[in-house]
Amino acid sequence: EVQLVESGGGLVKPGGSLRLSCAASGFTFSSYCMSWVRQAPGKGLEWVASISTVSTYIYYADSVKGRLTISRDNAKNSLSLQMSSLRAEDTAVYYCTRGLGYGDYVFGHWGQGTLVTVSS
Amino acid sequence: DVRMTQSPSSLSASVGDRVTITCQASQDISNYLNWYQQKPGKAPKLLISDASNLETGVPSRFSGSGSGTDFTFTISSLQPEDIATYYCQQYDNFPYTFGQGTKLDIK
Repeated sequence: EVQLVESGGGLVKPGGSLRLSCAASGFTFSSYCMSWVRQAPGKGLEWVASISTVSTYIYYADSVKGRLTISRDNAKNSLSLQMSSLRAEDTAVYYCTRGLGYGDYVFGHWGQGTLVTVSS
Repeated sequence: DVRMTQSPSSLSASVGDRVTITCQASQDISNYLNWYQQKPGKAPKLLISDASNLETGVPSRFSGSGSGTDFTFTISSLQPEDIATYYCQQYDNFPYTFGQGTKLDIK
């Protein structure tokens, strides 16, 4: 069974930093593209960033480019999102997602999410 | 960026009703269109990929159609457990973009 478990969320001040992690299990992590998708309280879904299987290709939403960094460690079956220069508008539940099939970025499987709150 | 316009934004229907949600892309996205279901307090779940491909384990009352710029999501006979918000999403090009969502409840 595919499992994605996010951690690292919490309360941070504007301008601060936070690192989110996603522990993956139940599949061959190195064979799938991974992504982060977020959802502000009471709002819709927003794609944040995606990374290919061996980190060759990385994509970011314009709203986070230069501030959020996606990375992966295939040896540890782990996906990360380093967040810096955080703003109030980054407040959201952040979901880790796995590609549906080999080589695609479709959000086929989702973790339960971790809440990031940016507030003074 | 591809803008996804989903309608209606909310919908109230009775058990057994046929429910239809539409999604329009601002440019041709072929069939690179997914539909997700999100129940309150839960993570989204992929129901349909490639506009019309029903994911494994998803009830057959759900279906999707369309290509190019116009897409439709249908529940043939609404069940109480279908209460959720539904989102379309394009994956033709980055940035991947979602529709604004359709909140479905029981009349």
